[in-house]
Amino acid sequence: GQNIDQPTEMTATEGAIVQINCTYQTSGFNGLFWYQQHAGEAPTFLSYNVLDVLEEKGRFSSFLSRNIGYSYLLLKELQMKDSASYLCAVTNSNYQLIWGAGTKLIIKP
Amino acid sequence: EADIYQTPRYLVIGTGKKITLECSQTMGHDKMYWYQQDPGMELHLIHYSYGVNSTEKGDLSSESTVSRIRTEHFPLTLESARPSHTSQYLCASRTQEGDTGELFFGEGSRLTVL
Repeated sequence: GQNIDQPTEMTATEGAIVQINCTYQTSGFNGLFWYQQHAGEAPTFLSYNVLDVLEEKGRFSSFLSRNIGYSYLLLKELQMKDSASYLCAVTNSNYQLIWGAGTKLIIKP
Repeated sequence: EADIYQTPRYLVIGTGKKITLECSQTMGHDKMYWYQQDPGMELHLIHYSYGVNSTEKGDLSSESTVSRIRTEHFPLTLESARPSHTSQYLCASRTQEGDTGELFFGEGSRLTVL
């Protein structure tokens, strides 16, 4: 089968750094996405990785290691508005998008 | 900001009713998708389309149908709603170039079937 594993929930402190891990087992690989989803809202695009590099975009960075089926999303200088669910999704060899259940990130003052 | 719109945002209906969830995008995207999402769960693909007159079933396509008569419009119809259909329905689109472009999502339609 195909699956994406992410921690269900994480808690961090405002101003700190948090790393959200994602491991995947899919039939082939054609890229990995991270999306942010606030409660009751639609997902919004954060990053896309297809090579084993660190992609940086402001306070957010995403890393990929294809040979071990692993990615992480790093959030720096956490703000209260970063409280949301973070979804990891992988495009497999058939170009189907396989979604993880998301990691709910709780930011405390 | 993405230009993809869904109506209604919220709907409460009785069992057995027929409903259509509307989705429109003004970005000229060829690929459009319908997903179902329950709280804390992954997105499940219901239907997708790669262009006008093209529709395909996803993982959860039973009991629903879609049409793609115009590029910008991709409505989802439930012929006979049941309580098990209570969920959030998300419409999304992306450009035709490959399948690696980001998805743009609508704000969702939250359906409750009594």
